[in-house]
Amino acid sequence: AQSVSQHNHHVILSEAASLELGCNYSYGGTVNLFWYVQYPGQHLQLLLKYFSGDPLVKGIKGFEAEFIKSKFSFNLRKPSVQWSDTAEYFCAVNEDDYKLSFGAGTTVTVRA
Amino acid sequence: KAGVTQTPRYLIKTRGQQVTLSCSPISGHRSVSWYQQTPGQGLQFLFEYFSETQRNKGNFPGRFSGRQFSNSRSEMNVSTLELGDSALYLCASSLDPSQGDYGYTFGSGTRLTVV
Repeated sequence: AQSVSQHNHHVILSEAASLELGCNYSYGGTVNLFWYVQYPGQHLQLLLKYFSGDPLVKGIKGFEAEFIKSKFSFNLRKPSVQWSDTAEYFCAVNEDDYKLSFGAGTTVTVRA
Repeated sequence: KAGVTQTPRYLIKTRGQQVTLSCSPISGHRSVSWYQQTPGQGLQFLFEYFSETQRNKGNFPGRFSGRQFSNSRSEMNVSTLELGDSALYLCASSLDPSQGDYGYTFGSGTRLTVV
């Protein structure tokens, strides 16, 4: 079964700091990769996704992620965070079996 | 366009009762999947339906079941509720993952509390 690991449980940053959240998955075959965000009191929203092609994916709100196949990783980055980026971030993997396997999530707190 | 609609938003049930949750996908989306979100276990896959057929099922007991109707709307049912079933139940819709469309859109969820 697919397992997805998110390295950090809780990250606290100041505004304008850079953010990088780690995500590793276990499946060695073809995968589709996602980052979702859940703002306080809101539903899961897709930040970005990788299916194929350029391993550097740009998403909404200035986020990007890099797929490194040899490391089974899909790390999320943002050069300069804002207070409004305070949320929980989930990495998810799909093995072409009609389901998403989620990591445990990383809570990001941005201090003004 | 309208998003994924889940009803009800909140539900309180007593142990031993059963509950039915509803999900209306985005218009044109034919795949509906369900997830359970809890603080301890995170987001876990329950099942996925496409054209009224269940194509995958997660590791949940048989008390959890679902179905999809011809208009793609889906319901999930939990029988003989246990305290541990208290969770946020999320529905996601997609055009068709088997055709390479993995654009899952999530609803706001149904918050189930079992007392």
